[in-house]
Amino acid sequence: GQNIDQPTEMTATEGAIVQINCTYQTSGFNGLFWYQQHAGEAPTFLSYNVLDGLEEKGRFSSFLSRSKGYSYLLLKELQMKDSASYLCAVGDSNYQLIWGAGTKLIIKP
Amino acid sequence: IAGITQAPTSQILAAGRRMTLRCTQDMRHNAMYWYRQDLGLGLRLIHYSNTAGTTGKGEVPDGYSVSRANTDDFPLTLASAVPSQTSVYFCASSEAAGGGTGELFFGEGSRLTVL
Repeated sequence: GQNIDQPTEMTATEGAIVQINCTYQTSGFNGLFWYQQHAGEAPTFLSYNVLDGLEEKGRFSSFLSRSKGYSYLLLKELQMKDSASYLCAVGDSNYQLIWGAGTKLIIKP
Repeated sequence: IAGITQAPTSQILAAGRRMTLRCTQDMRHNAMYWYRQDLGLGLRLIHYSNTAGTTGKGEVPDGYSVSRANTDDFPLTLASAVPSQTSVYFCASSEAAGGGTGELFFGEGSRLTVL
């Protein structure tokens, strides 16, 4: 079966760094996506990895290891507005997205 | 530019009633999708359309139908609503067919409660 695993909830302190992990088992692989979703709002795109390695975009970075079926999203210099759910999704062999349940990130002052 | 517009934003519905959730995009994207989001579960694909005139079934299509008469509109119909269809429904679009090829753009969601 296809499966995306990520922690249900994480807590971090404003100004700190947090790493959200995602492991996946899918039929085929056509890229891994991270989306951010604030409570009561729509998901918005953060990053896309299709090759191994680190992709950096401002305070956010995303890492992929295809051989390990593993990715992480790294958030630096955390701000209160980063409190949200972070969704990991993988494109399968049919190019359809398989979604994880999301990680709720709570930022404390 | 509005992006994707969904209506209604919220609705309470009696079981057995028919309901259509509307979705319109102004980005001229080829592909459109309907997802449902339930607490503790990932987004689950209900139906999709890779281009106007074609539709396909996703992971949880039972009890739902869609049509894609033109590029912009992709309505989702519940023929006879049941309480298990209580959920938040998101419409999304992408430039290319297949949601796993690029960024998805989401509407603001429609919260549906079936009693």
